[in-house]
Amino acid sequence: QQQVKQSPQSLIVQKGGISIINCAYENTAFDYFPWYQQFPGKGPALLIAIRPDVSEKKEGRFTISFNKSAKQFSLHIMDSQPGDSATYFCAASKGGKLIFGQGTELSVKP
Amino acid sequence: KAGVTQTPRYLIKTRGQQVTLSCSPISGHRSVSWYQQTPGQGLQFLFEYFSETQRNKGNFPGRFSGRQFSNSRSEMNVSTLELGDSALYLCASSAGLAGKNQETQYFGPGTRLLVL
Repeated sequence: QQQVKQSPQSLIVQKGGISIINCAYENTAFDYFPWYQQFPGKGPALLIAIRPDVSEKKEGRFTISFNKSAKQFSLHIMDSQPGDSATYFCAASKGGKLIFGQGTELSVKP
Repeated sequence: KAGVTQTPRYLIKTRGQQVTLSCSPISGHRSVSWYQQTPGQGLQFLFEYFSETQRNKGNFPGRFSGRQFSNSRSEMNVSTLELGDSALYLCASSAGLAGKNQETQYFGPGTRLLVL
């Protein structure tokens, strides 16, 4: 049972462009929605997180948009850089158990 | 603060053997969660320990078990290894409490297990 669906599976963006990754969840009990970035050979690193009482959160070039009624949230990476090339995971949790999306492999071309 | 550390980083075992993986959380964190990462299934939650008690459990068979010690360090054990157990096993620590920033999970580098 996949409770968090993530798309696209892979994404190619030109340097300076906007990368957009989308996630949808099913369980309305989820109350915490983090995004993680993972480089090859490393563990996931927290990028940014949001709670359902907020519709948008911005930290530097990274923005989460949250639509509670549609049960969807997305990550926007502004001014994408080659160093942003990594796999991105959305997640949802209630009580500390993280349910992850399938991941998006982002490649930013110079 | 030092981050989450996991040992060993790489491990090769054969079918039927058992394995124990270790995780040291960030100092002051009382919650340790374990995840399995594979190309096919992605990141899947195994279990969470808080103050030496299992607080949450995922949908894995009983061959997968864990424990937490009084210093919050945790171990995960897999018995009777199967080929499908080959994966990256990730440990994450958090303060483990409800409320702002208290539940943020910080991941270690993982232990890559290969079962032959």
